[in-house]
Amino acid sequence: ETGVTQTPRHLVMGMTNKKSLKCEQHLGHNAMYWYKQSAKKPLELMFVYNFKEQTENNSVPSRFSPECPNSSHLFLHLHTLQPEDSALYLCASSQRLAGEGNEQFFGPGTRLTVL
Amino acid sequence: GENVEQHPSTLSVQEGDSAVIKCTYSDSASNYFPWYKQELGKRPQLIIDIRSNVGEKKDQRIAVTLNKTAKHFSLHITETQPEDSAVYFCAVSSGGSYIPTFGRGTSLIVHP
Repeated sequence: ETGVTQTPRHLVMGMTNKKSLKCEQHLGHNAMYWYKQSAKKPLELMFVYNFKEQTENNSVPSRFSPECPNSSHLFLHLHTLQPEDSALYLCASSQRLAGEGNEQFFGPGTRLTVL
Repeated sequence: GENVEQHPSTLSVQEGDSAVIKCTYSDSASNYFPWYKQELGKRPQLIIDIRSNVGEKKDQRIAVTLNKTAKHFSLHITETQPEDSAVYFCAVSSGGSYIPTFGRGTSLIVHP
C-alpha cells in the first residue's frame, strides 16, 4: 500500500491495558504527526516529529507516549487510558514542517474505544 | 494562540448549486491555508491550499480565496455533485509556528 498506513484500524481496550498504534509512510517524508479526532471537536494535534526528533508535544497526558524510530515509522504507545480518550487517532506526514512541501497527508486512522 | 472559526457547521444544497464555506483566523502572521475533505469513515484528504502570497487559487470546480486584510478565506465549490457530500475542514498555520489549527468542520450535503 502506498501513502500513509495505520494499524490496527480498530482497537478496543480496557483502562488497564497497554497497546500501541503504528503508522508508516511510504512517501519519503521527513515530518510525522499524531492527531486526535473526537466527535464534534476540531482535529487536535498531539505530537510532531521532524527527522525522528520530537518537535512538539501539545500538552498531551503522559498516558500517551510517542516513538519515532526512523522517518518512516511512528508509534503511539497507550497505557491506563480513560474512556474519554476514545476517538479516531490519525497519523499524518509531510515533506517538511513549514513552507513549500508542508502539505500533510493523512493515514486512515485507528478507531480507539476505551472501556 | 491561533483562533480559527469555520461557518457554517452544516450546509445543504441541491445538486448543481454552488457551496461556500468560510473560515476566519486571528493571527496576522498566518501564511498557509489548506482545505481538507473527509468522507464518512475515511481519512481527511487535502483538496486545495493557498499561501499568503496569492489571493485566489482554482482547481476545476473548487477554488479558495484569501483576504489577508480581513483575515478570512473561503472554499468555493461550483456545480456540486452528490459525491461532494463530506465534512470539509479548513486549517491555518504560520511560518513562525508550523502547528496547524483546524476549524470545527462543515458538513456539506448535496441532494440529488
